[in-house]
Amino acid sequence: KQEVTQIPAALSVPEGENLVLNCSFTDSAIYNLQWFRQDPGKGLTSLLLIQSSQREQTSGRLNASLDKSSGRSTLYIAASQPGDSATYLCAVPHSGTYKYIFGTGTRLKVLA
Amino acid sequence: EAQVTQNPRYLITVTGKKLTVTCSQNMNHEYMSWYRQDPGLGLRQIYYSMNVEVTDKGDVPEGYKVSRKEKRNFPLILESPSPNQTSLYFCASSRDRWGRETQYFGPGTRLLVL
Repeated sequence: KQEVTQIPAALSVPEGENLVLNCSFTDSAIYNLQWFRQDPGKGLTSLLLIQSSQREQTSGRLNASLDKSSGRSTLYIAASQPGDSATYLCAVPHSGTYKYIFGTGTRLKVLA
Repeated sequence: EAQVTQNPRYLITVTGKKLTVTCSQNMNHEYMSWYRQDPGLGLRQIYYSMNVEVTDKGDVPEGYKVSRKEKRNFPLILESPSPNQTSLYFCASSRDRWGRETQYFGPGTRLLVL
């Protein structure tokens, strides 16, 4: 059964730091991996989707990498800003089905 | 504007009183899904649908029903709500019928069952 883990659960950094969020999954037979952002009391916004054939995807200050063989993905945020404060979640489709499995998220706080 | 809408946004009800949470998308997406989010447990999938009249169970389907009679709508039905269904509910949609493309989420429905 696919399990998705995100470490750390919470992170607090000063503005301007580069940071890395981690996502681990147990079954490497995935179609893709998505990173989402969730602001308090709001829905989820898709940040990046990495197909299983890709190694990384970039959008602005965000870069997501995927290593299927080791069951890991990282989300790199460059030059963090207070506006980046949110919960970041990763999700993978459950192999062999059309279900989605989410990690429990990393709550990020960027201090001004 | 491309979006997923949910109604109501907030709902307080009592045990056993049937309720429906509506979900609608205007992007002509094939795949639609319902999730619940609980502290410490994260997002868990309740039901999903790959097309009209095609639905299947997610990881936590007990106590819920869904229907997909039209492509744009995917209502979530609680026939006899119980307090353990108090949660934050999200509807999502994806263009690809297998849900393998970017998922777009609604704003959420916060449900309290007394």
